[in-house]
Amino acid sequence: DVKVTQSSRYLVKRTGEKVFLECVQDMDHENMFWYRQDPGLGLRLIYFSYDVKMKEKGDIPEGYSVSREKKERFSLILESASTNQTSMYLCASSLGSAQAAIYFGEGSWLTVV
Amino acid sequence: QKEVEQNSGPLSVPEGAIASLNCTYSDRGSQSFFWYRQYSGKSPELIMSIYSNGDKEDGRFTAQLNKASQYVSLLIRDSQPSDSATYLCAADLSGGSYIPTFGRGTSLIVHP
Repeated sequence: DVKVTQSSRYLVKRTGEKVFLECVQDMDHENMFWYRQDPGLGLRLIYFSYDVKMKEKGDIPEGYSVSREKKERFSLILESASTNQTSMYLCASSLGSAQAAIYFGEGSWLTVV
Repeated sequence: QKEVEQNSGPLSVPEGAIASLNCTYSDRGSQSFFWYRQYSGKSPELIMSIYSNGDKEDGRFTAQLNKASQYVSLLIRDSQPSDSATYLCAADLSGGSYIPTFGRGTSLIVHP
């Protein structure tokens, strides 16, 4: 089974803090993704990565950055957290091939106060 | 803008009935389609994928794809209260870039 692990499940941070969300997958997948999910807005893609040290902006990259130093690890960074970044963050991974489904981690619930 | 559309629901069905969930997509070039189930407070879980026209069955679930009409559906037979969840439809709208676009989901309620 595919395993995507998000190390932090529930976080409470203060406005202006730097926040790191870590994600690790164990299936040697090429692609990794960060989404956020908010009620009524569905899943929105923040960033994705096709390979180590490679990153591409998704639909809502503002206020976020990412790092992929190793194939299995993809980190999401909130440089200066704001209250409008309170959300559920989902990491996902997939094989870099046609017809590949993506698999999600359990999610990280972030509250910025 | 390329989109995946779903009725938000809720769709309410009695236990034991067939639940039918529908999804339309805008890009004729889409090749891959997926259904995810998401329980409240949990992350989406892949339950079905379909790539060719027709039906694909897996247990109580059947996915149906009609590329000419650009719709995908998910049938759940013998619905159970444990099937109550939000069902997300996803399609690879980019024609090969392997980044699925998700619909906003349909809420299904199965009542005893």
